[in-house]
Amino acid sequence: GQQLNQSPQSMFIQEGEDVSMNCTSSSIFNTWLWYKQDPGEGPVLLIALYKAGELTSNGRLTAQFGITRKDSFLNISASIPSDVGIYFCAGHFGNEKLTFGTGTRLTIIP
Amino acid sequence: DVKVTQSSRYLVKRTGEKVFLECVQDMDHENMFWYRQDPGLGLRLIYFSYDVKMKEKGDIPEGYSVSREKKERFSLILESASTNQTSMYLCASSSGLQAGGNTIYFGEGSWLTVV
Repeated sequence: GQQLNQSPQSMFIQEGEDVSMNCTSSSIFNTWLWYKQDPGEGPVLLIALYKAGELTSNGRLTAQFGITRKDSFLNISASIPSDVGIYFCAGHFGNEKLTFGTGTRLTIIP
Repeated sequence: DVKVTQSSRYLVKRTGEKVFLECVQDMDHENMFWYRQDPGLGLRLIYFSYDVKMKEKGDIPEGYSVSREKKERFSLILESASTNQTSMYLCASSSGLQAGGNTIYFGEGSWLTVV
């Protein structure tokens, strides 16, 4: 089956720093999704990407659909305390079910 | 906004009990899903449904069943709960293959503890 490698697994940053995380797939996708999960809550959709090369922003968040269709990146600029949580990528191709990454845990050091 | 509502946030059940987890979505989505989430294992698909009265096994269906009698409602059933089913359960829905793709929206999660 498809495999998604998400990195890094965890990040410890100071408030105000920029954050970058990425996902790579063993096969091509035609949809990439990025979610954030707060402790004890369900994942919330941040950004959806449907086209290779697409670059989409949502406030301080920017995500890109890689040109090879096998990767995607999420950047967070000027991090704030409420950015803490786990970020998941997910992708699929055609009628196949979504495959999820293993998550990146973001911690902000005071 | 899409709203996926899970009826119970926190449950504690005894081994052998029958457990129902209910999920309702208000966006007329065709597809509904049940996942469980465990530390180190990520999100694992238990069952999903593409239509009323239709169900398909996901990656880990053993010990679970589902019911979809109405389009907006998808229930997860643990016929005889066991301690290894202690987990966070997430319901999700999506509108299927449209211009927007297969974007999944999640509920808030149900924490089940089996003792």
